[in-house]
Amino acid sequence: QVQLQESGPGLVKPSETLSLTCTVSGGSINNYYWTWIRQPVGKGLEWLGRVHSSGFTNYNPSLGSRLTMSLDTSEKQFSLKLTSVTAADTAVYYCVRGNNWSDYFDSWGQGTLVTVSS
Amino acid sequence: QSALTQPASVSGSPGQSITISCTGTGSDVGAYNYVSWYQQHPGKAPQVVIYDVSNRPSGISSRFSGSKSGNTASLIISGLQAEDEADYYCSSYTKSRLYVFGAGTRVTVL
Repeated sequence: QVQLQESGPGLVKPSETLSLTCTVSGGSINNYYWTWIRQPVGKGLEWLGRVHSSGFTNYNPSLGSRLTMSLDTSEKQFSLKLTSVTAADTAVYYCVRGNNWSDYFDSWGQGTLVTVSS
Repeated sequence: QSALTQPASVSGSPGQSITISCTGTGSDVGAYNYVSWYQQHPGKAPQVVIYDVSNRPSGISSRFSGSKSGNTASLIISGLQAEDEADYYCSSYTKSRLYVFGAGTRVTVL
């Protein structure tokens, strides 16, 4: 059973960069899409983007050029960097695995709350 | 890409059946059979209950079922139980190679 664990700062200052890492255990990181989804407290889910073990990425255009995702197969980790953050980026961030036979999200991390505040 | 449209809340008594709708467009829900549904209990991560419109992952109760007609997908929960009280989100893959979610539906068991 694959497990995903997010890590990173819980507090980021406005205009700075939010960086999170997800560590994959109990399964392979290869041949899957690895995704970040966020959820402002008390609100709905927002798909941010995904990275494939091949290096392919695609991002939610609502984030413009602020978002970058990468993957390190040797460390079994993938990461997210979101630049120029504002209070609107305050949310619980989930790292998620995309099923490799169809288009849905089959495994989720527990989520990590990131607050943007000075 | 606009969010999919779901009712804010649905309620039912134990044992009843309820249906949650999820309306999109011909560029998402109507374009592919890649609609999935996620259940989220308070303070927990979402978990998939239906994928590819009507398929149930292993371990998910047969009381959960799904369907789609045109641009609208539906999640049906039959034999409603107290443990089904949660938020439910639909999601769809889109022609833009992105994913979009609905705003969520709060299910209350009366």
